[in-house]
Amino acid sequence: DIQMTQSPSSLSASVGDRVTITCRASQSISTYLNWYQQKPGKAPKLLIYAASSLQSGVPSRFSGGGSGTDFTLTINSLQPEDFATYYCQQSFITLYSFGQGTKLEV
Amino acid sequence: EVQMVESGGGLAKPGGSLRLSCAASGFTFSDYNMNWVRQAPGKGLEWVSIISSRSNYIYYADSVKGRFTISRDNARNSLYLQMNSLRVEDTAVYYCVRERSEADSSGSYVNFFDPWGQGTLVTVSS
Repeated sequence: DIQMTQSPSSLSASVGDRVTITCRASQSISTYLNWYQQKPGKAPKLLIYAASSLQSGVPSRFSGGGSGTDFTLTINSLQPEDFATYYCQQSFITLYSFGQGTKLEV
Repeated sequence: EVQMVESGGGLAKPGGSLRLSCAASGFTFSDYNMNWVRQAPGKGLEWVSIISSRSNYIYYADSVKGRFTISRDNARNSLYLQMNSLRVEDTAVYYCVRERSEADSSGSYVNFFDPWGQGTLVTVSS
């Protein structure tokens, strides 16, 4: 199985800030890495797939990068609606796995 | 509009059974692999199971293998999860999730979950 580890687990930031969340895989997963956003009481929503491809309709302030074992999700100029929990997920092997989540707080 | 609506959640006793259903609409259901993902209260996301578009391959997380069975009925646009021998630790919101594939910059196809249903809560308690 592939373990996914996100850091930090929580992050405090302000509107207008630039933040970066890191995701590390226990083995190389090429760019088979996706990012999701989840708000309280809601289902997760896809933000980025294949490490750096922005899902249609997602604001361009979101960007992803990395390959192999180390990946990043960057949010430029934080907006009030961006305060949520973010998860990475590997799809390199069909026994899919998620990171533990990063809660972005005001 | 692409939509999945889960049902069948509720309260079950340890050792009991529940059957979850997911009704899909707005897309050609038989063209897509489907998954179940769960989230325990206040916890992160855990992938549970996948079934391919034609049911020719199925995988489970180790935590549910041998107890849960995923199935689908393409004629009814429906996905199911039969949960037996339930444990307290199976308590979670269960999401029905469509799997999509897109090519990355190298031409390799990457799978991801989009969209997600609204979820159904399963509570296992005596």
